[in-house]
Amino acid sequence: ETGVTQSPTHLIKTRGQQVTLRCSSQSGHNTVSWYQQALGQGPQFIFQYYREEENGRGNFPPRFSGLQFPNYSSELNVNALELDDSALYLCASSLGTGRNTEAFFGQGTRLTVV
Amino acid sequence: SQQGEEDPQALSIQEGENATMNCSYKTSINNLQWYRQNSGRGLVHLILIRSNEREKHSGRLRVTLDTSKKSSSLLITASRAADTASYFCAAQGGATNKLIFGTGTLLAVQP
Repeated sequence: ETGVTQSPTHLIKTRGQQVTLRCSSQSGHNTVSWYQQALGQGPQFIFQYYREEENGRGNFPPRFSGLQFPNYSSELNVNALELDDSALYLCASSLGTGRNTEAFFGQGTRLTVV
Repeated sequence: SQQGEEDPQALSIQEGENATMNCSYKTSINNLQWYRQNSGRGLVHLILIRSNEREKHSGRLRVTLDTSKKSSSLLITASRAADTASYFCAAQGGATNKLIFGTGTLLAVQP
């Protein structure tokens, strides 16, 4: 166990709806990164939050947004869901953004959009 | 796409044999990491090799890194059925130290 908790574990939504995924980071970690993993692919970086501020973003549209709270837990929000948003969403927590920083992943939330 | 590539895509071996997976990446890196994933769930960190290192060992794992060729390899020795999983390499670098993952190798170890 990494100490990183994600909720819910599974979710089914309808196209056009909105979804919020949650992540509790490992104790003491101030950085949370979110990744999307489509079936049969490697995870793709969505964005990172460091000390409650967005600190980098991958090639994802603005309808993917996030938030980090003072306790460093984080949310990923996706608006206007599309079928292609069906994927495993992973969050990873780490201590800072320095070189050679190890990231600890949660078990993921599997989102299905129908 | 910045995503790296892994080779082979799938590998099936017998228990006790060695498994070798290769990874190529495209960006400059601070380090290269290897992860394991069981049945589409969370990623488990296996090993990190820094850009100034060429080889690293951890238990039955041996990782090499060739930054001139932008490639890395993971060797699992004396494989076990419990090693059956998907294995991903991830290049870490840039301002956010984000991880850029490869496409993964699906390893099946037959008992």
